[in-house]
Amino acid sequence: SQQGEEDPQALSIQEGENATMNCSYKTSINNLQWYRQNSGRGLVHLILIRSNEREKHSGRLRVTLDTSKKSSSLLITASRAADTASYFCATDPNQAGTALIFGKGTTLSVSS
Amino acid sequence: ETGVTQTPRHLVMGMTNKKSLKCEQHLGHNAMYWYKQSAKKPLELMFVYSLEERVENNSVPSRFSPECPNSSHLFLHLHTLQPEDSALYLCASSQERFADTQYFGPGTRLTVL
Repeated sequence: SQQGEEDPQALSIQEGENATMNCSYKTSINNLQWYRQNSGRGLVHLILIRSNEREKHSGRLRVTLDTSKKSSSLLITASRAADTASYFCATDPNQAGTALIFGKGTTLSVSS
Repeated sequence: ETGVTQTPRHLVMGMTNKKSLKCEQHLGHNAMYWYKQSAKKPLELMFVYSLEERVENNSVPSRFSPECPNSSHLFLHLHTLQPEDSALYLCASSQERFADTQYFGPGTRLTVL
């Protein structure tokens, strides 16, 4: 069964607003990663948070991880039109030799 | 996307054709991956190569045949595909197998008629 589930599936906001996306997963993990994908392109790694971390920042991105609830959130502050993309969480399960498991993604649309 | 290139970027083929997708990484990584991305579905891992040895198959149909001649190049040979194989095929690499971060190419948009 699918490990990561992003919520919401789609999000539309205005430039300057904040965007929050959530990811829930099922099994214990080593780390959780967020990737961005512009339309029809490859994925770009944004940020990684390890299971013993609770919050991490990178520029306008803030990621939180709650291992007790098996959930993570990605906050993009002061969004720009260029942030329009799909955002995926990927979990690294705590099982030897298991690859990253990606969710279906959240499609973010930022209008100017 | 930088550091991992894929060709062609778009491919249209008939069900009886044979074609190949090519991926090249310029990052000095030891592991490479093929993923399939269909609309409304999560990324599906198809193949993993580590140091040129295939380590995971994930029950992909035999009409998809991977080849990894060296640690920088990865091919996906296609033959007698079905329309449901139409998708975006993404190549990725990482420093080691199942390492923390994967670097993706831009993908090949495949349409099977």
